[in-house]
Amino acid sequence: SQQGEEDPQALSIQEGENATMNCSYKTSINNLQWYRQNSGRGLVHLILIRSNEREKHSGRLRVTLDTSKKSSSLLITASRAADTASYFCATDTGGGNKLTFGTGTQLKVEL
Amino acid sequence: NAGVTQTPKFRVLKTGQSMTLLCAQDMNHEYMYWYRQDPGMGLRLIHYSVGEGTTAKGEVPDGYNVSRLKKQNFLLGLESAAPSQTSVYFCASSSRGVRETQYFGPGTRLLVL
Repeated sequence: SQQGEEDPQALSIQEGENATMNCSYKTSINNLQWYRQNSGRGLVHLILIRSNEREKHSGRLRVTLDTSKKSSSLLITASRAADTASYFCATDTGGGNKLTFGTGTQLKVEL
Repeated sequence: NAGVTQTPKFRVLKTGQSMTLLCAQDMNHEYMYWYRQDPGMGLRLIHYSVGEGTTAKGEVPDGYNVSRLKKQNFLLGLESAAPSQTSVYFCASSSRGVRETQYFGPGTRLLVL
């Protein structure tokens, strides 16, 4: 099974609402990263949070990390139609130069 | 500054044919990666390189070979394509491996008949 698993698998909201997606993982990590993928495109890095950090912000994005629960959440505030994409978490478990990606959350923001 | 580019964008192969996917980056990154993305599976690491002349196996290396003869290029080869290799292939690069951002190319869509 995947090291990182996102929840929910799919999320549909109205423009202006907040979107929250979660990532759970199984083993201890050095850092956790969130990426966005628009349909048919490559992944774009959003935020990296290290294991000794609890929260990070970037514009309308807020990421939290709870290492005791082995989970992270990505909050997008005041969502826009342009935020429609798939969102992936990826973990660095320190087992070599590898990131392990989750299966993603598909976010749809409707006008 | 083009970032990470991939060639070709799309290819159709017959079972048993061979091909090479090219990844190029102009950011002087040491680390480069090849992933495949299949529906419902997320991205899985095929091979990676920590510097010119080095390569290492990832999670799903069988059926693929790679070479990193130049720092800016990372080639992924399929010697004898199989339908199970139908996928979207992404290349990525990074300055400090998994400690920092990975920059992804636009992907190569491969269909093996």
